[in-house]
Amino acid sequence: GESVGLHLPTLSVQEGDNSIINCAYSNSASDYFIWYKQESGKGPQFIIDIRSNMDKRQGQRVTVLLNKTVKHLSLQIAATQPGDSAVYFCAEIRPYNNNDMRFGAGTRLTVKP
Amino acid sequence: ETGVTQTPRHLVMGMTNKKSLKCEQHLGHNAMYWYKQSAKKPLELMFVYNFKEQTENNSVPSRFSPECPNSSHLFLHLHTLQPEDSALYLCASSSNVGRSGELFFGEGSRLTVL
Repeated sequence: GESVGLHLPTLSVQEGDNSIINCAYSNSASDYFIWYKQESGKGPQFIIDIRSNMDKRQGQRVTVLLNKTVKHLSLQIAATQPGDSAVYFCAEIRPYNNNDMRFGAGTRLTVKP
Repeated sequence: ETGVTQTPRHLVMGMTNKKSLKCEQHLGHNAMYWYKQSAKKPLELMFVYNFKEQTENNSVPSRFSPECPNSSHLFLHLHTLQPEDSALYLCASSSNVGRSGELFFGEGSRLTVL
């Protein structure tokens, strides 16, 4: 399944499927990006990051893709599990503004058993 | 456990009350932050402290008053709040401001203003 960031804030997938969460960032000068996961009742937790000199970075079951041409970031979760249900935020860091970190509104991922 | 502890976890206060939120980090970080999280809105940065000095106040109303006595502790003093101030207030820390990237968040203080 796919989401379109702020315009589709919920994503529902079947357990075991792959999930793709998208994020459009606003400033071409942003050079560092982070995905956070926020479970219910908890604060956001770091998942994975990527710098602007990279197009792709892989972690454990997660992959972040960066397309600087269209200012788009995506988080792919392989074999989605119920424990992946959470709100996912992308964040961009703007080096020209005292390294200001700006967050997207988030996408709620629900994993159906 | 992220190493950032916030108290209280829940707070209900009237508009004329004075209360404080507390944050403590056990990570040896130099930068601490307050964020406001409202329903269906992006995380809003409120204040940034770096080595106990306030480096950013993101146009926050004066009814919110931060205090950072040392690099491990951060407070948010609340006075004459409005119902629209009801939100989850998140504290975070990082090794340095900005370039280190990862913020470590506490679990938040859920504030309800009646």
